[in-house]
Amino acid sequence: DAGVIQSPRHEVTEMGQEVTLRCKPISGHNSLFWYRQTMMRGLELLIYFNNNVPIDDSGMPEDRFSAKMPNASFSTLKIQPSEPRDSAVYFCASSHRVPTTEAFFGQGTRLTVV
Amino acid sequence: GQQVMQIPQYQHVQEGEDFTTYCNSSTTLSNIQWYKQRPGGHPVFLIQLVKSGEVKKQKRLTFQFGEAKKNSSLHITATQTTDVGTYFCAGPTGGGNKLTFGTGTQLKVEL
Repeated sequence: DAGVIQSPRHEVTEMGQEVTLRCKPISGHNSLFWYRQTMMRGLELLIYFNNNVPIDDSGMPEDRFSAKMPNASFSTLKIQPSEPRDSAVYFCASSHRVPTTEAFFGQGTRLTVV
Repeated sequence: GQQVMQIPQYQHVQEGEDFTTYCNSSTTLSNIQWYKQRPGGHPVFLIQLVKSGEVKKQKRLTFQFGEAKKNSSLHITATQTTDVGTYFCAGPTGGGNKLTFGTGTQLKVEL
């Protein structure tokens, strides 16, 4: 398996533009997580899905952020409109619920909003 | 909300010295996981502990889960430059398998 695949790896966008981050989880995994990593706030869980259903989105910063998982092999995280404070590395991770909750991370998307 | 804190935040050691990072949760955890993130990389799973008081070893790394299942530690014996990175603990919080990461400990190893 190729592991969790995220795209793009790097994104530079202007403030106010829409940004869409993409994730393909490991086949057969039924949980998917979106994390944001910054120096100031560390690794923050934004939202997670079980069996394509959003379970907890309490970490989503505000209404500008939205996430979808239309099927078991694809998820998106959208920011509209983007702001400079959204600059961070965004990670997608997937896991089985059983026998372990070990999370496998993608390479991440480094987002810079100027 | 539920928090998972780690200390220290940073640690510089000379190669060959030992290193320990401590993880504390505000709530009891069903299990604790440890991850390592190399500079510029992504977190990579190291190990999971499930039982109260459990101790596991991976070569020079020793992991321990507290009796109350609210704290954990990672000890590295005789650090090497390959140990450089940030070490995170993580645990399922809020029910289900919501995986919350600790604040991390950044380890730097100098020759």
